[in-house]
Amino acid sequence: EAQVTQNPRYLITVTGKKLTVTCSQNMNHEYMSWYRQDPGLGLRQIYYSMNVEVTDKGDVPEGYKVSRKEKRNFPLILESPSPNQTSLYFCASSLSGLSGGKLFFGSGTQLSVL
Amino acid sequence: AQSVTQLDSQVPVFEEAPVELRCNYSSSVSVYLFWYVQYPNQGLQLLLKYLSGSTLVKGINGFEAEFNKSQTSFHLRKPSVHISDTAEYFCAVSDSGNTPLVFGKGTRLSVIA
Repeated sequence: EAQVTQNPRYLITVTGKKLTVTCSQNMNHEYMSWYRQDPGLGLRQIYYSMNVEVTDKGDVPEGYKVSRKEKRNFPLILESPSPNQTSLYFCASSLSGLSGGKLFFGSGTQLSVL
Repeated sequence: AQSVTQLDSQVPVFEEAPVELRCNYSSSVSVYLFWYVQYPNQGLQLLLKYLSGSTLVKGINGFEAEFNKSQTSFHLRKPSVHISDTAEYFCAVSDSGNTPLVFGKGTRLSVIA
């Protein structure tokens, strides 16, 4: 089944403790992206990747890192999480991000930073 | 940079009534337009998209949207809603594939029995 898989589904952590949210897709998509969803603010893009080893900042990249060493994986890294990073995070992928293609979303990761 | 405005944050509507969810984008020569739906506790799913051609676009679950270039709008409509349509709906726009998608803040549709 074609899907984008995010883990974990829920995560509670404390300020400053490094964490990684994993994202994997099995559709051989070139484009992958991370969003955060906050009430009243909609989805805001954190980082995106057009292909392996190519990553770019989105609208809200501060405090986040990403890597794209393999086509299928696009982990989101919070080196030193802070409470303002408490949010619902979504990973998404598409065949090609800039051609009007359909975005496939993961089920989300609810992160709470205490 | 492209921007998207969803004019209503919440829309309550009775079952079997028609609904329109409004979306406006900042002007551009050529755009790609999308509507995504998010059911409770799920990720987003594509409802419909406009890339070119006919300005009336039909999507899944009986939804349709009309691209209006002069008004820079892409409103979503359904003639008769069901309880199962209760969800959050996001409008998104890209400058004809030259930029990543920009999402609106979402409209929460609540269908009342």
